[in-house]
Amino acid sequence: DIVMTQSPDSLAVSLGERATINCKSSQSLLSSSDNKNYLAWYQQKTGQPPRLLIYWASTRESGVPDRFSGSGSGTDFTLTISGLQAEDVAVYYCQQHYNAPPAFGQGTRVGIE
Amino acid sequence: EVQLVESGGGLVQPGGSLRLSCAASGFTFSSYWMSWVRQAPGKGLEWVANIKQDGSDKYYVDSVRGRFTISRDNAKNSLYLQMNGLRAEDMAMYYCATGFGSHGHWGQGTLVTVSS
Repeated sequence: DIVMTQSPDSLAVSLGERATINCKSSQSLLSSSDNKNYLAWYQQKTGQPPRLLIYWASTRESGVPDRFSGSGSGTDFTLTISGLQAEDVAVYYCQQHYNAPPAFGQGTRVGIE
Repeated sequence: EVQLVESGGGLVQPGGSLRLSCAASGFTFSSYWMSWVRQAPGKGLEWVANIKQDGSDKYYVDSVRGRFTISRDNAKNSLYLQMNGLRAEDMAMYYCATGFGSHGHWGQGTLVTVSS
């Protein structure tokens, strides 16, 4: 099974500053058949279900602000929030969907410094 | 508008059974893989099971294989999770979600409490 590891477990960033979350998979998520990385990012606010932010490692879901961006390939991925807003306080998860089981990372809690 | 509405959660004793349901609307249900994802209180997300569009392929996390069964009824736009032999560690909010992974739509969840 592919294991997903996020870092850090939590971080605090000043409003307007950049937040960076890393996600590492135990196997490559890059498909040779379609050249896509099977990696998604989610945001979960307290008391709410998760929300898909990014898929294919770098494609923003419709309606997601452009301050959220995803990058990386293979086994190393990054979610960047450029210019943190108060409404971005949440837990963020990566998930691989290259094969079953489509495991999540353990989550990264983002707060305001 | 896509809607996923879970039901069937509740309090059950260890060793007991529950059947969760997820009613889908606003999209072509039969065209999507569907998944169950759970979240224990104060913990992270754990993918539980998923099922192919026609029900021909199913996958489970190791901890529930043999105890839980995922199924779907495309005529009723519904997804199910039959949970047998429930354990304390199965206590969680259970969400249904579209997709094999990269879950674009989620329900609000149904809470399963396992306690004597």
